[in-house]
Amino acid sequence: EIVLTQSPGTLSLSPGDRATLSCRASQSVTSSDLAWYQQKPGQAPRLLIYGASSRATSIPDRFSGSGSGTDFTLTIARLEPEDFAVYYCQHYDTSPFYTFGQGTKVEIK
Amino acid sequence: EVQLVESGGGLVQPGGSLRLSCAASGFTFKRFWMHWVRQAPGKGLVWVSRVNDGRSTNYAESVKGRFTISRDNAKNTVYLQMNSLSAEDTAVYYCVSGYGAKFDYWGQGTLVTVSS
Repeated sequence: EIVLTQSPGTLSLSPGDRATLSCRASQSVTSSDLAWYQQKPGQAPRLLIYGASSRATSIPDRFSGSGSGTDFTLTIARLEPEDFAVYYCQHYDTSPFYTFGQGTKVEIK
Repeated sequence: EVQLVESGGGLVQPGGSLRLSCAASGFTFKRFWMHWVRQAPGKGLVWVSRVNDGRSTNYAESVKGRFTISRDNAKNTVYLQMNSLSAEDTAVYYCVSGYGAKFDYWGQGTLVTVSS
């Protein structure tokens, strides 16, 4: 079973800063099966990135995804006030199908 | 506009049952895989179950044998029958549509609380 480990657990930054979030898989995964989600307090998650680097519909271009193999990164180029949230990476495999990382909280410094 | 509206959550005693429903609109429901993903209070996201466009189903190990997912394409609705509930099943349950590796659209969730 592939385990996704996200780091750091919490990222304290200011609006306008660049945020770099990491997602490491316990073994090599197919990039097309890696996605990122944003969840704000009291809200459902929202798809940001799929296929490791493709932005979902209506996602601003300040969000970008990269990586391959075991190491993937979500970058937010310049944090806007609405970007402070929890971010999850997620992987799909034939079994156990869908797994999530534990999340990274991006908080206002 | 895609909408997924969950219902059926609530308080249930340990060992009890509950049936969640999710009404979908704004997309061609029968073509999409439908999932349930849950989130325990203050915790992360956990995938629970999937029914694909051909009605094949899959489950997380933690719910296999207790939960049953189904869909009614005529009603654009997906269901989750939950039996033998325990405190560990307490969570917000999200209805999610997607295809393949990703979860494209999420409902707002329905809270299931298992407690005596």
